[in-house]
Amino acid sequence: QTVVTQEPSLTVSPGGTVTLTCASSTGAVTSGYYPNWFQQKPGQAPRALIYSTSNKHSWTPARFSGSLLGGKAALTLSGVQPEDEAEYYCLLYYGGARVFGGGTKLTVL
Amino acid sequence: QLQLQESGPGLVKPSETLSLTCTVSGGSISSSSYYWGWIRQPPGKGLEWIGSIYYSGSTYYNPSLKSRVTISVDTSKNQFSLKLSSVTAADTAVYYCARFEMASAASDYWGQGTLVTVSS
Repeated sequence: QTVVTQEPSLTVSPGGTVTLTCASSTGAVTSGYYPNWFQQKPGQAPRALIYSTSNKHSWTPARFSGSLLGGKAALTLSGVQPEDEAEYYCLLYYGGARVFGGGTKLTVL
Repeated sequence: QLQLQESGPGLVKPSETLSLTCTVSGGSISSSSYYWGWIRQPPGKGLEWIGSIYYSGSTYYNPSLKSRVTISVDTSKNQFSLKLSSVTAADTAVYYCARFEMASAASDYWGQGTLVTVSS
């Protein structure tokens, strides 16, 4: 069973920068895993932020960026805003099947 | 603007079959560019991908659920459906439907989700 691992929680100060990562139990994450990133706030459906590693949807704020970092997928938030406090999930593609990471709870404090 | 809407019973008895439908509006489910999928989230827990279907009927399922899951598509109604058999309390969750682009594997549009509780 494939496992995708994210940091359980991170804390960042307003205006700061934070990087969330997403690792695969099968080995290094590459562009072929087409990493997606989602933001979810309490009581809401997840909102798509990033697809195919680093591509933004039309609604994605500029302060969000995606990349590959040290064999993992990464989501970087620059100039963090209070409204960025949320749960963040990555999603990896395994040739048809998909697996979500366990999520990272981001606190803005 | 594409919209997805989940519908179905909010309460299912243990050992019975959970059935949900996702209605797509503002776009065609028969587009060759997309897969359509189901995702669930137990209360207070993370997201779990259940499976995906192409308009032709081609499917992919989560291996941990594969023996109990059937996803089907009805192009005439612009809908796709989920059936999960032999449910237990562990299947209590908010169930979401979503669209996945084939070329980029991007998941962009999601439904608002529907809570299904498994209880007698």
